[in-house]
Amino acid sequence: KQEVTQIPAALSVPEGENLVLNCSFTDSAIYNLQWFRQDPGKGLTSLLLIQSSQREQTSGRLNASLDKSSGRSTLYIAASQPGDSATYLCAVVSGGGADGLTFGKGTHLIIQP
Amino acid sequence: DARVTQTPRDKVTEMGQEVTMRCQPILGHNTVFWYRQTMMQGLELLAYFRNRAPLDDSGMPKDRFSAEMPDATLATLKIQPSEPRDSAVYFCASGKRGTQNSPLHFGNGTRLTVT
Repeated sequence: KQEVTQIPAALSVPEGENLVLNCSFTDSAIYNLQWFRQDPGKGLTSLLLIQSSQREQTSGRLNASLDKSSGRSTLYIAASQPGDSATYLCAVVSGGGADGLTFGKGTHLIIQP
Repeated sequence: DARVTQTPRDKVTEMGQEVTMRCQPILGHNTVFWYRQTMMQGLELLAYFRNRAPLDDSGMPKDRFSAEMPDATLATLKIQPSEPRDSAVYFCASGKRGTQNSPLHFGNGTRLTVT
C-alpha cells in the first residue's frame, strides 16, 4: 500500500527566504506526483504536476523535483511571501490503473512578514 | 473560472440521521472523487467515478455510506445512519481523463459535524 510522508509537518520562516518542502513515497511505481496548496477552510488548489518520466516542473516562484527511483520529491519556494502561508500537500497517483491520489498529511507553512 | 461546487457548506446533525452531500463537477470533467479529511488521518479517498460509473469505493464503510452519480452534473455522498466518528470535511474533486495526465480540481468541502 502506497504511503506518502511529508517533512516537516510545520515550518515558520521570515519573508524573503527560499525554502524546501519534502515529500517521500514508499512505492516508486507512480504515474505522477502532484503538489497542492490548501488555505484554511478551503479546498485544495493544484500547484504542479510532475509526470513519472519528468524530473521537475516550474511555475513562477515554485519548482518541484521528482526522483522516482528514490521515492522523493521536493517543492522549492523562492523569495517567500506572507501570501504563501498555507498547507502544502503532496500526492501521488500509483500504478496499476487506479486514478486515486494518495496524499501526505501536509506541511503547514507560515511566512512571517 | 470553472469550479467544483459542493453543498451544503456546513452540516450539523445528530447521530442516526441521514446526511446527503452534493457535488457539481466542472463541466466536461469525466472523473469525480470523494475524499474525507480529518486531522488524524489527513485526506482519505472514499470513492471515485469515471464517466459516471463507480470504479472504486473500497475506502467507504459500505454499511452506512453510498456514493452515486445520477447524471454528469451531480454526484452525491450519503451517510445513513450518521455517527460522531463521521465528523470530518468531505471534499469532492473532478478531473479530465483520470488523474494520470491532468490535475484535480477540488471543491471547498462540506464540513460535517455529527453530535
